This record gives sequence, structure tokens and C-alpha cells, in this order.
Amino acid sequence: KQEVTQIPAALSVPEGENLVLNCSFTDSAIYNLQWFRQDPGKGLTSLLLIQSSQREQTSGRLNASLDKSSGRSTLYIAASQPGDSATYLCAVRPGNYGQNFVFGPGTRLSVLP
Amino acid sequence: NAGVTQTPKFQVLKTGQSMTLQCAQDMNHEYMSWYRQDPGMGLRLIHYSVGAGITDQGEVPNGYNVSRSTTEDFPLRLLSAAPSQTSVYFCASSTLIGGYTFGSGTRLTVV
Repeated sequence: KQEVTQIPAALSVPEGENLVLNCSFTDSAIYNLQWFRQDPGKGLTSLLLIQSSQREQTSGRLNASLDKSSGRSTLYIAASQPGDSATYLCAVRPGNYGQNFVFGPGTRLSVLP
Repeated sequence: NAGVTQTPKFQVLKTGQSMTLQCAQDMNHEYMSWYRQDPGMGLRLIHYSVGAGITDQGEVPNGYNVSRSTTEDFPLRLLSAAPSQTSVYFCASSTLIGGYTFGSGTRLTVV
């Protein structure tokens, strides 16, 4: 059974720092991995989707990497801003056709001005 | 392109009442699913569908019913609301191997 963990559970950094959020999964047989952002009381916004054949994806100040063999993904946020404060969730889609995404518990990020 | 639309955004029910949460997508996605999100519990899968006429149970299906008569719509029915069903409900859709698009959620309170 696929399991997803995220470390750390919470993170507080001063504005301007570069930071890394970690995601680990137990089964390397995946179709893809997706990072989401959730603001308090709001829905989930997709940040980046990495297909199993890809090593990384970039969008603006965000860069996500994928190492299937080790069961790890990282989300790198450059030059953090207070507006980046949110919970970040990682999810993997198992490699069996039509399977549901498995979500991690999330990392709660606070960027202090 | 509206993506995934959920209605209503907020709802208060009395114990024992029934209601339907609506979810519609305009991306021709085969896959649709319902999750509930509770503090400290993360996202939990209620029901999902891999195409019109096909539905299956997720992790927490009790007290909920679904049907998928069209590709676009995937309503979630609460048969007899209980306080334990107070939660935020999210609908998501995707292709069978693509990424999720989530709706904005329905905040349900059962009193």
C-alpha cells in the first residue's frame, strides 16, 4: 500500500530565504506526483505536476524534483515571501491504471516579514 | 473554462436531513472523486468514479451515496445527515493518469 509522508510538518522562515519541502513515498511505481498549495479555509491549488518519466518541473520561483528510485520529491521555493504562507501537500498517483492519488499530511509554511 | 464547480459553498443541515452536494467539470475528465477534509485527519476519499456508470467506494463511504450518469456530473448524496459528517467536502477530477483539479469546496455543518 502506497504511503506518503512529508517533512517537516511545520516550518517558519524569515522572508527572502530559499527553502525546501520534502515528500517521501513508499512505492516507486507511480504515474505522477503533484504538489498542491492550500490557504487556510480555502481549496487546493495545483502547483506542479511531475510525470514519472520526468526529473523536475519549474514554475516561477518553484521547482519540484522527483527521484522515483529513492521514493522522494522536493519542492524548492526561492526567495520566499509572506504570500507563500500556506500548507503544501504532496500527492502521488499509483502506477495501476485509474488509481486514486495518495496524499501526504502536508507541511504548514509560515514566511515571516 | 470553469474547471470543477461545486455547489453550494456553505450549508447547514439538521440531523437526519438529506441533501446533495453538486460537482460538475467541463474538462471531459474520466475520473472524478469526493474527499472530506477534517482538522488533523487530512484528505480522506469518500467515493470515486472512473467513468460514466462506474463508481466505487473509497476510505470513508458510509453515509454517502454517489452516481455518475454523465461524464460531467458527480453528485454526492448524504442520506441522513449526522454531526460526524460536519466537514469540508472537495470534489476533484482528472484524466485517468493525469493530475487532479479540485473544486473550491463545500463547507457543511450538521447540527
